[in-house]
Amino acid sequence: DIQMTQSPPSLSASVGDSVTITCQASQDISNYLNWYQQKPGKAPKLLIYRASNLETGVPSRFSGSGSGTDFTFTINSLQPEDIATYYCQQYDNLAMCSFGQGTKLEIK
Amino acid sequence: QAQLVQSGGGEVQPGRSLRLSCAASGYSFTNHGMHWVRQAPGKGLEWVAVIWSHETDKYYADSVKGRFTISRDSSRNTVYLQMNSLRVEDTALYYCAKDIRSGSMDVWGQGTTVTVSS
Repeated sequence: DIQMTQSPPSLSASVGDSVTITCQASQDISNYLNWYQQKPGKAPKLLIYRASNLETGVPSRFSGSGSGTDFTFTINSLQPEDIATYYCQQYDNLAMCSFGQGTKLEIK
Repeated sequence: QAQLVQSGGGEVQPGRSLRLSCAASGYSFTNHGMHWVRQAPGKGLEWVAVIWSHETDKYYADSVKGRFTISRDSSRNTVYLQMNSLRVEDTALYYCAKDIRSGSMDVWGQGTTVTVSS
């Protein structure tokens, strides 16, 4: 099974800052990597699919990059409503999925 | 718009069974795979299972393989998760989710709680 290592586990930043979260796969997953946002008490929301594609309706301050085993998720110009936990998720060639451990983002 | 409404869940003793349901509406149910994802209290997301358009094409996380069965009924636009031999560690909020493209999940149910306790 493919393991996803996400870091950091938590992050504190100020409004207007740029923040970056990384995700590393235990083996090559090409670009089958998605990013989700989960706010407390809510279901996850898809933000980025196939590593770098912005889901419809998601603000352009969110972006993703990477391929193979190393991936990056960035929020530019952090907004108060971005307080959430963010997860990476991979899909492998055996049609299995797994999530990273999550990154809890707080506003300073 | 696409919507998933979940039912089932509750509190059961270890070793017992439970079935979760997820009714889909607002899109072509037969054209999309469906996932189950769970979240233990205070923990992260854990992928549980997926069933693709071909109802025989299904995959499971190792933690539930042999105990859980995912199925779908296209006449009812509903996906199910039959959970047998439940363990305390299966306690979680369970979500169903629609697959939009190769493992990305764009529509989620509201979640349903499963508590396994003696």
